[in-house]
Amino acid sequence: NAGVMQNPRHLVRRRGQEARLRCSPMKGHSHVYWYRQLPEEGLKFMVYLQKENIIDESGMPKERFSAEFPKEGPSILRIQQVVRGDSAAYFCASSDGQFNEQYFGPGTRLTVT
Amino acid sequence: DQQVKQNSPSLSVQEGRISILNCDYTNSMFDYFLWYKKYPAEGPTFLISISSIKDKNEDGRFTVFLNKSAKHLSLHIVPSQPGDSAVYFCAASLQGGSEKLVFGKGTKLTVNP
Repeated sequence: NAGVMQNPRHLVRRRGQEARLRCSPMKGHSHVYWYRQLPEEGLKFMVYLQKENIIDESGMPKERFSAEFPKEGPSILRIQQVVRGDSAAYFCASSDGQFNEQYFGPGTRLTVT
Repeated sequence: DQQVKQNSPSLSVQEGRISILNCDYTNSMFDYFLWYKKYPAEGPTFLISISSIKDKNEDGRFTVFLNKSAKHLSLHIVPSQPGDSAVYFCAASLQGGSEKLVFGKGTKLTVNP
């Protein structure tokens, strides 16, 4: 399957713990985007990365959230000291940088208890 | 501030008839528009897109129309099939190439057999 892969698909964390979400882009894609979807809402942009660079993090909360896309390996979205309001579906998308279409992974559903 | 609006939360149509999903936007700088389809517990799937230099794009049963003066676009599905039942998201981006997508809240389409 050459599609965008995300893991884990479901993640349960207690308040105060850390959550790490992983995304492997589609083969041949070097642009990665993270979006968050709250219940009954559309997807909200969080961050756009290329290999080893954060291009746009205008949608990222200023505290507790960070993202990286290392030279080797998947992109990681990290949420420190999670709170109940972080419970959401987190989607990763990738593109080849040539066209505007972004292709999405299946998402990680984070539940904070 | 909701820059992309889908004012109909839901739409129900009969199999074989036309489905028309609408989307309005407020930012005149948007120059690329996309429609995604989403099933529960899955990531959005890219359907069709249109550049601001065009007013129509067609792909099989799906046609997207863009009215720049009205800042309005619509997705037509004809004929509608039960498998089309899903949530449809309209999205816009600010400039060509890889850029963050701004999503509407979605319209849930139900196609009745």
